[in-house]
Amino acid sequence: NAGVTQTPKFQVLKTGQSMTLQCAQDMNHNSMYWYRQDPGMGLRLIYYSASEGTTDKGEVPNGYNVSRLNKREFSLRLESAAPSQTSVYFCASSFLGGAQETQYFGPGTRLLVL
Amino acid sequence: AQSVTQLDSQVPVFEEAPVELRCNYSSSVSVYLFWYVQYPNQGLQLLLKYLSGSTLVESINGFEAEFNKSQTSFHLRKPSVHISDTAEYFCAVTRSYNTDKLIFGTGTRLQVFP
Repeated sequence: NAGVTQTPKFQVLKTGQSMTLQCAQDMNHNSMYWYRQDPGMGLRLIYYSASEGTTDKGEVPNGYNVSRLNKREFSLRLESAAPSQTSVYFCASSFLGGAQETQYFGPGTRLLVL
Repeated sequence: AQSVTQLDSQVPVFEEAPVELRCNYSSSVSVYLFWYVQYPNQGLQLLLKYLSGSTLVESINGFEAEFNKSQTSFHLRKPSVHISDTAEYFCAVTRSYNTDKLIFGTGTRLQVFP
């Protein structure tokens, strides 16, 4: 099992460009999450999907959109990137919904917006 | 709403010394508590969690944490650290009913020196 995979690992964008971060899990998990990690701020939830076909906003959803393509895949889209979106992005999944479940994280995508 | 405070952003310690990483939470309702660890250039991994029952929880690699409701704390301890414990440690909290989101602290970087 690969666990949670994320592509790309690194990305540099110019302000205003768009891109999609991909996430996939092979653990048959129902719930998936997108976080951003910034120095001194810990992890903050952007969006999550409790089950296939549903998505909900987290703490910092502005400037992002998500798609739960199927049970395995959960993508995060930046429509018009801004320097404030420079961050490390982590995807995670858990077998059941509910934050008490153990979350399994991918290796992260490092995004720099110039 | 729940929140979590990790008072120490960095904790330097020599190998084989004991260590305590502090975590305090704020909540008006009962909570679940977690410690996640992030090794360099990796995603987060669950270290241990408190859901119910014994207030002392242990991990497989020698860490333990004690839920103290009166002091609203969930400090992480290890009696003797190894170089390989060098990582960033995140405390997280969620309410114990209708759980949907984990709230992470800002992290504590544990640096173990030989």
